[in-house]
Amino acid sequence: QVQLVESGGGVVQPGGSLRLSCAASGFTFSSYGMHWVRQAPGKGLEWVAFIRYDGSNKYYADSVKGRFTISRDNSKNTLYLQMNSLRAEDTAVYYCAKDWGDGGGYYYYMDVWGKGTTVTVSS
Amino acid sequence: AIRMTQSPSSLSASTGDRVTITCRASQGISSYLAWYQQKPGKAPKLLIYAASTLQSGVPSRFSGSGSGTDFTLTISCLQSEDFATYYCQQYYSYPRTFGQGTKLEIK
Repeated sequence: QVQLVESGGGVVQPGGSLRLSCAASGFTFSSYGMHWVRQAPGKGLEWVAFIRYDGSNKYYADSVKGRFTISRDNSKNTLYLQMNSLRAEDTAVYYCAKDWGDGGGYYYYMDVWGKGTTVTVSS
Repeated sequence: AIRMTQSPSSLSASTGDRVTITCRASQGISSYLAWYQQKPGKAPKLLIYAASTLQSGVPSRFSGSGSGTDFTLTISCLQSEDFATYYCQQYYSYPRTFGQGTKLEIK
């Protein structure tokens, strides 16, 4: 079945960097857009970034633009989030999520989510 | 960015009750709206997409309606497993945005 497994979370000091990974299985990863969504402790969901199925288009939340980079390796069925210049407010559970449709459509909702990986930014 | 506003932020209800959660978009989003359910310590789960289409496997007591800027999620007969937090989310434009969530608690 469709499965997304995040990894790479941990504790990092303010100003530090971390790279998250999301391993995909059970579907043709190279055909689907992918998202990162985060949730700070006790807070709601915040969309972070999106990458088109072929990596040709990317979108970011203003809160992470210029600091985070989304990328993918379709040969490894893996999605990444490189996080630089981390701040305390980046502390959250980070989820990867799959677009419902394939082929690069714009109006797609997120239909499958991973279980998340926790990032803590603290000195 | 499109702002999504849910009401109420929290709701107490009993098993068997009918409850309605409202979501309002700051601008028209046609029917590009999804509803998610999240239980503590778990990932969000898709319930409804296209404002009113039930995701496969979701019980029929869940229903959604609306278009443009005003949307509702209704649970017709609450079951114990429905006590959770619910989020609406627009997929009309980027950045994708979520409502702040509605926590449904047992009365």
